[in-house]
Amino acid sequence: GENVEQHPSTLSVQEGDSAVIKCTYSDSASNYFPWYKQELGKGPQLIIDIRSNVGEKKDQRIAVTLNKTAKHFSLHITETQPEDSAVYFCAAYSGGGADGLTFGKGTHLIIQP
Amino acid sequence: ETGVTQTPRHLVMGMTNKKSLKCEQHLGHNAMYWYKQSAKKPLELMFVYSLEERVENNSVPSRFSPECPNSSHLFLHLHTLQPEDSALYLCASSQVPTGASYNEQFFGPGTRLTVL
Repeated sequence: GENVEQHPSTLSVQEGDSAVIKCTYSDSASNYFPWYKQELGKGPQLIIDIRSNVGEKKDQRIAVTLNKTAKHFSLHITETQPEDSAVYFCAAYSGGGADGLTFGKGTHLIIQP
Repeated sequence: ETGVTQTPRHLVMGMTNKKSLKCEQHLGHNAMYWYKQSAKKPLELMFVYSLEERVENNSVPSRFSPECPNSSHLFLHLHTLQPEDSALYLCASSQVPTGASYNEQFFGPGTRLTVL
């Protein structure tokens, strides 16, 4: 089955700096890669996603890049703000139906004032 | 109510108790999921219901029993749990993926379960 590795497990950056979280996946058939943000006491919320026919996608301060050859994808957050502090999860969908989404272990992003 | 709701938000139970977790989605989706979230572990998919039929079990112990009476409601019945079952239990919903497409999952806030 699919295996998703996520790094780092904890990331601390100064407010205003950029943050990058990286994930690798094992199944070359995976074609959809969502990123979720989980704030304290809440469930994960989808913040951005990318499909395998696209190399990069941006939404204001958030961007995701995908390298299908290397089987890795990354989340980039620019001009970080205190409200960006949360746990971020990457995931990869390898098809096969409703059960085909595999999550990484998560990255705890801490924004230092 | 909008999105995905879960009740209760917190639950403390003894190992001999029987309790149920409830999830309701107001998004018109036709697939629902139970996940277990433990500290420093990936989200663990426990059960999937697609069009009200269970399609994945993932070798979950029988002390967890799901029920999906319709496409909007999902239950997780708990009995004779162990302390290691303490975790955040998340419900999610989505449209059933068709072909090569995939629709994103929307999560509820979770139920924080503590087993004494």
